[in-house]
Amino acid sequence: ETGVTQSPTHLIKTRGQQVTLRCSSQSGHNTVSWYQQALGQGPQFIFQYYREEENGRGNFPPRFSGLQFPNYSSELNVNALELDDSALYLCASSSYGHSYNEQFFGPGTRLTVL
Amino acid sequence: AQRVTQPEKLLSVFKGAPVELKCNYSYSGSPELFWYVQYSRQRLQLLLRHISRESIKGFTADLNKGETSFHLKKPFAQEEDSAMYYCALSPISNFGNEKLTFGTGTRLTIIP
Repeated sequence: ETGVTQSPTHLIKTRGQQVTLRCSSQSGHNTVSWYQQALGQGPQFIFQYYREEENGRGNFPPRFSGLQFPNYSSELNVNALELDDSALYLCASSSYGHSYNEQFFGPGTRLTVL
Repeated sequence: AQRVTQPEKLLSVFKGAPVELKCNYSYSGSPELFWYVQYSRQRLQLLLRHISRESIKGFTADLNKGETSFHLKKPFAQEEDSAMYYCALSPISNFGNEKLTFGTGTRLTIIP
């Protein structure tokens, strides 16, 4: 059984650019959630995907968007990057339809916006 | 709006002493409460959740709805307990699709 993986590990972008982050869910999981963790803060919920559709969204603007693929992997896209988007982006996978199932987190992607 | 407050950013405790990490929440309704832990160079992972009522690694947490608190406790601290601890809440879900709201975390250091 493989755990949650994320790529890339780090990346640096400039203001106004666009970025795509990737997440592969743990084997057997069908739901992916994305979180943003700014320095010194706890993770903040961005959105969740189940069956290739958005299944809940936090307080983030539309320039944060996502996709889920048939193999349950997921992408987070951020357009028009701002300096405040610099953060650690975490994805977590879980199994929708089973109560008490925990979310398993990936190692994160560190995004720096200059 | 839902919110989780962890008043202590840093907490140092001697080995063998009791540990209590504080967590207060605000939520209109009955949320599900969690404690997550991140050990050095490891991923964020679930420590315990109030619904399961388990004791994990000697830690327990009781949900006090009157005080809207979910403090994490351990009677005797061990050096391996040094880590970052996050309290989190989610609307109750029977489907395993929690959407977590986290506190800012408490860094616990156990002094040998």
